[in-house]
Amino acid sequence: DVKVTQSSRYLVKRTGEKVFLECVQDMDHENMFWYRQDPGLGLRLIYFSYDVKMKEKGDIPEGYSVSREKKERFSLILESASTNQTSMYLCASRPPGKGDTQYFGPGTRLTVL
Amino acid sequence: TQLLEQSPQFLSIQEGENLTVYCNSSSVFSSLQWYRQEPGEGPVLLVTVVTGGEVKKLKRLTFQFGDARKDSSLHITAAQPGDTGLYLCAGGSNYQLIWGAGTKLIIKP
Repeated sequence: DVKVTQSSRYLVKRTGEKVFLECVQDMDHENMFWYRQDPGLGLRLIYFSYDVKMKEKGDIPEGYSVSREKKERFSLILESASTNQTSMYLCASRPPGKGDTQYFGPGTRLTVL
Repeated sequence: TQLLEQSPQFLSIQEGENLTVYCNSSSVFSSLQWYRQEPGEGPVLLVTVVTGGEVKKLKRLTFQFGDARKDSSLHITAAQPGDTGLYLCAGGSNYQLIWGAGTKLIIKP
């Protein structure tokens, strides 16, 4: 079974803090994704990575950066957290040659005060 | 910009009733996926349809991909409280997924 884990289920931070969200997958998937999910807006792609040290902007990259130093780990960084970044953050990975299916972690609910 | 319109946004029905959720777009997708998400968890894949006109069944759930691969539907027969959750459709495009906003389904016992 594919396993995608995220470092925290719940996180509370203050405005201006630097926030690291980590995601690890154990199936040697090349493609990894970070989304945020807000009620009524569905999943919005922040960044994705198709290989180590490679990254591509998604639909809403502003205020975020990412790091992929190892194949299994994809980190999302909020350089200076703001209240409008309060959201559910979902990490996903996709195996090569398996079409579009993505496997998700449990999510991190981030609250920025 | 590719969009997937999902309807209804919210549905609350009694146990035993039937329901259909729709996912529509003006764009053609290489595949259409349906996920279910429970509170506090990530989405879990239910099914992938790839061929226009394809119908797949998963117990009481029936998924259909439109002939033109622009729309899809999810039909649940005799809904049960365990079907409660957020249902998301996602269209495959250039190895990324375009997401609908989701249908929050509540089945009352």
